[in-house]
Amino acid sequence: DGGITQSPKYLFRKEGQNVTLSCEQNLNHDAMYWYRQDPGQGLRLIYYSQIVNDFQKGDIAEGYSVSREKKESFPLTVTSAQKNPTAFYLCASSRVRASEAFFGQGTRLTVV
Amino acid sequence: QQQVKQSPQSLIVQKGGISIINCAYENTAFDYFPWYQQFPGKGPALLIAIRPDVSEKKEGRFTISFNKSAKQFSLHIMDSQPGDSATYFCAASRETGANNLFFGTGTRLTVIP
Repeated sequence: DGGITQSPKYLFRKEGQNVTLSCEQNLNHDAMYWYRQDPGQGLRLIYYSQIVNDFQKGDIAEGYSVSREKKESFPLTVTSAQKNPTAFYLCASSRVRASEAFFGQGTRLTVV
Repeated sequence: QQQVKQSPQSLIVQKGGISIINCAYENTAFDYFPWYQQFPGKGPALLIAIRPDVSEKKEGRFTISFNKSAKQFSLHIMDSQPGDSATYFCAASRETGANNLFFGTGTRLTVIP
């Protein structure tokens, strides 16, 4: 089945620790995205990548980092510099310059 | 600055009724207007989308109405069912990639039997 796989589904992190969220897609899409979702707010773009080995900051990139070493994979690291990391994180992909985005099932990150 | 404004924040509808969710935008360069449906603990899934060359698009019980002059668009769910209970997000973009996709704040729909 084609789709986007995010793991883990739930993640707990202690304050001061970095944590990496996984995102893999087999849709053969060139573009991949990370969004953050908070209650009562829309989705906010963290980072996006339109090609391997290249990525761009979105609206709320501070405290996050990404890499794009393979077309299929776009991991997101939430660093200790992110002041309020507890949120639902969504990975998405699309064809380049297409606005139809396909989303994964999300990772809920909780800082304890 | 919220590029897309969505209302209401929550909506309760009786089974069989019509659910209506409204969105407004400012940027006249937007040319793609999707609606996403999200169930609890899941990622959003594209429900239906419209481009500004048409005023209405219907897919089954779901209809988008688009008013270009008013810069507004809305989702109508006819014969609402309990299985439609979810959060709905409108969005808008220029057709230049999902990095330019701006989302509304979401409407939590509850359909009661």
